[in-house]
Amino acid sequence: DVKVTQSSRYLVKRTGEKVFLECVQDMDHENMFWYRQDPGLGLRLIYFSYDVKMKEKGDIPEGYSVSREKKERFSLILESASTNQTSMYLCASDRTDQETQYFGPGTRLLVL
Amino acid sequence: KQEVTQIPAALSVPEGENLVLNCSFTDSAIYNLQWFRQDPGKGLTSLLLIQSSQREQTSGRLNASLDKSSGRSTLYIAASQPGDSATYLCAVADSGGYQKVTFGTGTKLQVIP
Repeated sequence: DVKVTQSSRYLVKRTGEKVFLECVQDMDHENMFWYRQDPGLGLRLIYFSYDVKMKEKGDIPEGYSVSREKKERFSLILESASTNQTSMYLCASDRTDQETQYFGPGTRLLVL
Repeated sequence: KQEVTQIPAALSVPEGENLVLNCSFTDSAIYNLQWFRQDPGKGLTSLLLIQSSQREQTSGRLNASLDKSSGRSTLYIAASQPGDSATYLCAVADSGGYQKVTFGTGTKLQVIP
């Protein structure tokens, strides 16, 4: 079974803090993704990575950065958290020749 | 830009009823379409994937259809059960290059015992 894990289920941070969200997959997938999910807006792609040290901007990259130093790990970084980054963050992975993405359980982030 | 719409946003049905969830998309040049299930506070689980060349896919009590020309897909759930209560999301992968996936906002289903 594919397993995608995220470092925290719930996180509370203060405005201006630097926040790290980590995602690990155990199936040697090339591609990894970070989404945020907000009521009424659905899932929106923040960044994705198709290889180690490679990254591509998604639809809403502003205020975020990512890091992929190892194939199994993809980190999302909020350099200076703001209240409008309060959201559910979902990580996913897939193989290039595979058509479905596998999702982690999500991290619910609250920025005060 | 692809847009994916799901109507209704919420649905409540008595146990045992057959039901249909709807998904529409604006650009018919798709690679595939998937239906996902999301339980409260959890990630997404893939239910059915339909390739652009296919018309439907079935898994147990679930049947998904695809009409690319009209930009529509339906998810049919037979003999609904309380355990089917969840949010169902439709996701469309665009053709050409990297298959960018666009998600709908989902239909929240409640099956009442």
